[in-house]
Amino acid sequence: DTAVSQTPKYLVTQMGNDKSIKCEQNLGHDTMYWYKQDSKKFLKIMFSYNNKELIINETVPNRFSPKSPDKAHLNLHINSLELGDSAVYFCASSQGDTIYFGEGSWLTVV
Amino acid sequence: GENVEQHPSTLSVQEGDSAVIKCTYSDSASNYFPWYKQELGKGPQLIIDIRSNVGEKKDQRIAVTLNKTAKHFSLHITETQPEDSAVYFCAASGLPGGATNKLIFGTGTLLAVQP
Repeated sequence: DTAVSQTPKYLVTQMGNDKSIKCEQNLGHDTMYWYKQDSKKFLKIMFSYNNKELIINETVPNRFSPKSPDKAHLNLHINSLELGDSAVYFCASSQGDTIYFGEGSWLTVV
Repeated sequence: GENVEQHPSTLSVQEGDSAVIKCTYSDSASNYFPWYKQELGKGPQLIIDIRSNVGEKKDQRIAVTLNKTAKHFSLHITETQPEDSAVYFCAASGLPGGATNKLIFGTGTLLAVQP
């Protein structure tokens, strides 16, 4: 069973479109995250949620809006996509220090 | 805030040799140091971690050392195998576990193990 699963795995879309990435974890963790990995492989946190409550927002543009309907799900909606949004987006979850990552969603904006 | 530097950016070794990746951190309050392995097309996977109350930790062919005074920690892989080829990331966190856990990652090391 996949512990942290996210969909879609690949997404190609045009500038200006709105898209969503969904994430679910079956580990029973209270905390979920979104990380962004750019073309140089640099990994940076975007958001963290604890029991549906936003805890960390790392100065991400307002076009990015996470939503957590329950503690097992954390979705990422992106409005008005820009070329610079092209990256791999990783969902993750944790209970304590250890963070477990999903397989990533490859977003390409053309 | 915390800053993590990682070296080298690429590392090529012969199968059976050892590989060492080094990281330094800036925030003396950091107390949790995980290492992740990322294979092509996959998400980062935790391979080993160490907390600040421990100087060394070993798990089969993988070991991590921590020098809090110098603020650096290292990953050691012995008897490398082709399947060890991947990108390795170090990370540091100074906050207690939970939603405020903000892992700061190093820039990654591409390890290539030549058969």
